[in-house]
Amino acid sequence: DGGITQSPKYLFRKEGQNVTLSCEQNLNHDAMYWYRQDPGQGLRLIYYSQIVNDFQKGDIAEGYSVSREKKESFPLTVTSAQKNPTAFYLCASSMEAGNSPLHFGNGTRLTVT
Amino acid sequence: DAKTTQPPSMDCAEGRAANLPCNHSTISGNEYVYWYRQIHSQGPQYIIHGLKNNETNEMASLIITEDRKSSTLILPHATLRDTAVYYCIVLNYGGSQGNLIFGKGTKLSVKP
Repeated sequence: DGGITQSPKYLFRKEGQNVTLSCEQNLNHDAMYWYRQDPGQGLRLIYYSQIVNDFQKGDIAEGYSVSREKKESFPLTVTSAQKNPTAFYLCASSMEAGNSPLHFGNGTRLTVT
Repeated sequence: DAKTTQPPSMDCAEGRAANLPCNHSTISGNEYVYWYRQIHSQGPQYIIHGLKNNETNEMASLIITEDRKSSTLILPHATLRDTAVYYCIVLNYGGSQGNLIFGKGTKLSVKP
């Protein structure tokens, strides 16, 4: 089955450590996205990529970094510079960066203590 | 991009139609209305989208007013599994979904 895989589902880290969240898609989609969701809140865009080797900052990019070396993969690194990293992180993809629906993974819940 | 306004919560009896409203009074001519839903601790799921005309698929119907300033998502026969947060979003055609804004949505509770 085609889809988006995020791993791991739960991740625990100590404060001051960088951590990388994985996102892989086999839908042959050009565009990929990372969102953050805090309890009781909507989704906020961190980074997005419309094509391989290109990406743009979203609304809350500070403290995060991404890479897009392959079409299928869009890993997100949460750096120690991110002030409040504990959150639910969602990866999504779409056929193109225009009028096409987003397909979401099931998220990674990151807890930093 | 236009913003949307949705009620924070709604209840619906199982088997009845659930009608979820959304206001998007500043929508522009080339912006589509999209609906997604999110079941607790899962990723959001695409439901339906439209521009001007009413749309229907196997999941739901989307009714857009003639002036396009509001829309209603209709789940014709709600089940307990439809309990979720429903998000209404507007999106520029051809624009990057990097500008996609997910608000807080409407929490729909379907009750037996």
